[in-house]
Amino acid sequence: AQSVSQHNHHVILSEAASLELGCNYSYGGTVNLFWYVQYPGQHLQLLLKYFSGDPLVKGIKGFEAEFIKSKFSFNLRKPSVQWSDTAEYFCAVNALISSNTGKLIFGQGTTLQVKP
Amino acid sequence: DSGVTQTPKHLITATGQRVTLRCSPRSGDLSVYWYQQSLDQGLQFLIQYYNGEERAKGNILERFSAQQFPDLHSELNLSSLELGDSALYFCASSPRTGPTDTQYFGPGTRLTVL
Repeated sequence: AQSVSQHNHHVILSEAASLELGCNYSYGGTVNLFWYVQYPGQHLQLLLKYFSGDPLVKGIKGFEAEFIKSKFSFNLRKPSVQWSDTAEYFCAVNALISSNTGKLIFGQGTTLQVKP
Repeated sequence: DSGVTQTPKHLITATGQRVTLRCSPRSGDLSVYWYQQSLDQGLQFLIQYYNGEERAKGNILERFSAQQFPDLHSELNLSSLELGDSALYFCASSPRTGPTDTQYFGPGTRLTVL
């Protein structure tokens, strides 16, 4: 069965620090990869996604992620975090088993706390 | 605001009861997905409907059922509720179906089973 691991459960950073959140998945075939963010009291929002092409993808709010196929990884990065980035971050995978489904498998989530 | 609405926001009920959660997708979206978020299991895919038909099934218990109506809204029915069913239930919608479709999430329904 496919699974997604997010190694950092809780990260605390000061403003302007750089961020990298790890995400690894277990599936040997073609995958589509997503990062979602959930700000306090809000719904899940898409930060960025990777389907194919350039493995370095840029998303909203200055976030980017790099797909490394050989490492089964899709780590999220941001050069300089802000207090407003405090949120929970979820990595998700859609394994291309069936072209007709949108089933997402989520990691456990990483809570990011940015201190002003 | 994602455009996906869910009602009710909060639901408190007792063990053994049955509840119905409702989801209205974004205008024009044909797929509806249900996810359960709990502390121990994280965010888990339950089921997907596309244009009224079941398209994919995840770890959905037999006590749970869902349907998508002709107007494309969806309902998730949870019966014989147990304490462990307490969780946040999210609905998401997407324009079509398929692994490249972006899913837009609603605010969730928080279910508490006492």
